[in-house]
Amino acid sequence: GAVVSQHPSWVICKSGTSVKIECRSLDFQATTMFWYRQFPKQSLMLMATSNEGSKATYEQGVEKDKFLINHASLTLSTLTVTSAHPEDSSFYICSARILTSGGYTFGSGTRLTVV
Amino acid sequence: AQSVSQHNHHVILSEAASLELGCNYSYGGTVNLFWYVQYPGQHLQLLLKYFSGDPLVKGIKGFEAEFIKSKFSFNLRKPSVQWSDTAEYFCAVNARNRDDKIIFGKGTRLHILP
Repeated sequence: GAVVSQHPSWVICKSGTSVKIECRSLDFQATTMFWYRQFPKQSLMLMATSNEGSKATYEQGVEKDKFLINHASLTLSTLTVTSAHPEDSSFYICSARILTSGGYTFGSGTRLTVV
Repeated sequence: AQSVSQHNHHVILSEAASLELGCNYSYGGTVNLFWYVQYPGQHLQLLLKYFSGDPLVKGIKGFEAEFIKSKFSFNLRKPSVQWSDTAEYFCAVNARNRDDKIIFGKGTRLHILP
């Protein structure tokens, strides 16, 4: 089935540094991918929609200069958390729509801890 | 914009009890509806989905959900729960023909007592 591979699984970084998270569709092409953030014991909050070859669409309240999204190919989307702060610590999950079934497949998530 | 409301934040049941988790959505157009489960320490897994046709949808692990359009609801049910059903359950909606994004409810944490 359609699989999305997300790396890294976890990362610890210092405040002020940037962290890049990758999301790859392994056996299908994804023109659109979605980035979510999940706080402990809370739901997934949609951050942005990543569009191949064009600018991402950000949800209200999400800082686009802080969460840089690049979708340069049909199989890769990246989320870069710039100038990370402890409050950015969270679980980030990517997702892609499976056009053949209409469903969605999710990455295994990245746990980011900013110290 | 579409939104999803899950009424039960935390549910505790004994094994063999029947389960019903509420989900209501707000969107005036046609929707695709989903239930996902997240077991402790694991990523999201699709339980079932509704796109069209029979409003009673059967999913994996004995779960089912019924789409009631007039009530904007998509409640999840299971006649007899097991301890292994302990997890967090998320209802989600996609506004069909509008965009591809999927919006999640806040989730329901289910604890099954052995």
